[in-house]
Amino acid sequence: GDSVTQMEGPVTLSEEAFLTINCTYTATGYPSLFWYVQYPGEGLQLLLKATKADDKGSNKGFEATYRKETTSFHLEKGSVQVSDSAVYFCARVQNSGGSNYKLTFGKGTLLTVNP
Amino acid sequence: NAGVTQTPKFQVLKTGQSMTLQCAQDMNHEYMSWYRQDPGMGLRLIHYSVGAGITDQGEVPNGYNVSRSTTEDFPLRLLSAAPSQTSVYFCASSYVSGPPNAQYFGPGTRLTVL
Repeated sequence: GDSVTQMEGPVTLSEEAFLTINCTYTATGYPSLFWYVQYPGEGLQLLLKATKADDKGSNKGFEATYRKETTSFHLEKGSVQVSDSAVYFCARVQNSGGSNYKLTFGKGTLLTVNP
Repeated sequence: NAGVTQTPKFQVLKTGQSMTLQCAQDMNHEYMSWYRQDPGMGLRLIHYSVGAGITDQGEVPNGYNVSRSTTEDFPLRLLSAAPSQTSVYFCASSYVSGPPNAQYFGPGTRLTVL
């Protein structure tokens, strides 16, 4: 079935370090791909998305490129800040027939950024 | 717009009690869904709905009931609470028509079953 696999955390970085969180998906059809972020005590918020191969989603300095050949959607940021500390979820959504869109999440990666 | 709202924020139940978690959205979204979030498990889909009067099961539906009588509301009912249902519950909504869209999430309900 549809699945998303993302790197296990936790990830701990110093401020201004480079961030990569890996995400791969099962390649059934052409899903849309998302990164969501969950700050402590809050619900999930959309961070960025890409809807077709080679699309690059970007927001708040974060980027991810939809790579069909490697079925990947890795999240990157050149210089993290303490305020980026959160749990990051990779997700895919596929039209499973008619209007039934189902969002499948990875297990989440906890990022802690130290000053 | 208030977006997606959930009540209550916190709830403690005893085993065997029933309760309803409320979810409402004011964005006229057709699609609404319920997830539970457990440590190390990510988010798992419980039930979803693509419009008023239409609901379907997700990955972990047992012990939960839903109905969708209006576009705005999608309550989740726990029929007889069990400790295994201790979790954080999130409601989400999105449009259905057009390319797959990002879902908007509520702030969550933290449920403890003793």
